[in-house]
Amino acid sequence: SAVISQKPSRDICQRGTSLTIQCQVDSQVTMMFWYRQQPGQSLTLIATANQGSEATYESGFVIDKFPISRPNLTFSTLTVSNMSPEDSSIYLCSVEDRGGRPGETQYFGPGTRLLVL
Amino acid sequence: SQQGEEDPQALSIQEGENATMNCSYKTSINNLQWYRQNSGRGLVHLILIRSNEREKHSGRLRVTLDTSKKSSSLLITASRAADTASYFCATGAMDSSYKLIFGSGTRLLVRP
Repeated sequence: SAVISQKPSRDICQRGTSLTIQCQVDSQVTMMFWYRQQPGQSLTLIATANQGSEATYESGFVIDKFPISRPNLTFSTLTVSNMSPEDSSIYLCSVEDRGGRPGETQYFGPGTRLLVL
Repeated sequence: SQQGEEDPQALSIQEGENATMNCSYKTSINNLQWYRQNSGRGLVHLILIRSNEREKHSGRLRVTLDTSKKSSSLLITASRAADTASYFCATGAMDSSYKLIFGSGTRLLVRP
């Protein structure tokens, strides 16, 4: 398993500003994932972040809006840029089980609850 | 886009009763997993069933998978108030990517 922490746990931001969310893992992992969960909805994958390469974004998400950094094997950041109220969501990072097969168990951080006014 | 749908969307039962949630998906899968989320926090992995398996048990959890119908069910037996949470199914793709695609979720309320 993996222990994942996220900062901040929650924030209230003004529209037009940006927020950077940090994700720290207690062990080295190849892939990290960023998800968005809009109020009352399921999880939607934003992007997959590999260390040393550009993040891979899912349809509907772009780097200018959600830039991601992955400077090492235990850390990643997601920035929500030029925020609007529609960005109010829970943002979660996750990592794959290092001992598992591709597309199997993921471990999740506690999430960052963002409210944009 | 969402891979699957879950039903019911919400379920309210008495403590001690069994809870059954269903998940349907659209494409071929490598595996199907169930996760629990308490009060909008992080997800906790509950159980994984591979595409060549039909049933799996873990404690009070029983998962079935019917690949011909592209559906799965999660049964929680002898439910407890602490089981109150949202439950999501997630599918792992056949293309060996690490991506999971999550279903719409079932909100379970277990009344004491």
